[in-house]
Amino acid sequence: AQSVAQPEDQVNVAEGNPLTVKCTYSVSGNPYLFWYVQYPNRGLQFLLKYITGDNLVKGSYGFEAEFNKSQTSFHLKKPSALVSDSALYFCAVRRNNAGNMLTFGGGTRLMVKP
Amino acid sequence: ETGVTQTPRHLVMGMTNKKSLKCEQHLGHNAMYWYKQSAKKPLELMFVYNFKEQTENNSVPSRFSPECPNSSHLFLHLHTLQPEDSALYLCASSQDPQQGQETQYFGPGTRLLVL
Repeated sequence: AQSVAQPEDQVNVAEGNPLTVKCTYSVSGNPYLFWYVQYPNRGLQFLLKYITGDNLVKGSYGFEAEFNKSQTSFHLKKPSALVSDSALYFCAVRRNNAGNMLTFGGGTRLMVKP
Repeated sequence: ETGVTQTPRHLVMGMTNKKSLKCEQHLGHNAMYWYKQSAKKPLELMFVYNFKEQTENNSVPSRFSPECPNSSHLFLHLHTLQPEDSALYLCASSQDPQQGQETQYFGPGTRLLVL
């Protein structure tokens, strides 16, 4: 079985400050890890993914995530938050060679205040 | 936009009604997915179609009936739903998932309310 945990329901950060949204996973074998963002009344938008290679992955809108195998984590980061980054963020995982069945975390709401 | 469209965007139906949700992708993908997003619950995969063949049914009740006439279109037929089926239904598509790595691209969803 595979699972994803996003331990924070909500993260509050001031505009211009760095942000981190946490994700830990449990999966057998090599994980494929994804971050998606959901704005109000919209579907999920792909931000970035880790498949293999460099542990630091860069994605859309200045976001990046660091894969840490020993801590089974894949935290999403951005050096300087914008008010427009306020949204719901989802982490997802799937096993290598498992088709494309993603397991999603419960989501973290990011609130960036001016 | 991601190239995945869904209609209608909003739907209100009674428990005895029959309705259908439609999804269309313009990305040349081979796989399509239905997800259910309920309040305070993680996103749940419902069905997966690859090259028009259903490859996954995640223990979904029979009152939800998917149909995939071709790789670009996916339907979800609804009948005798329950109020707890009220949710946002999301469609997604990707390249052939058997190749392993392909990212899923989501439509905007249909917000369903069952009265």
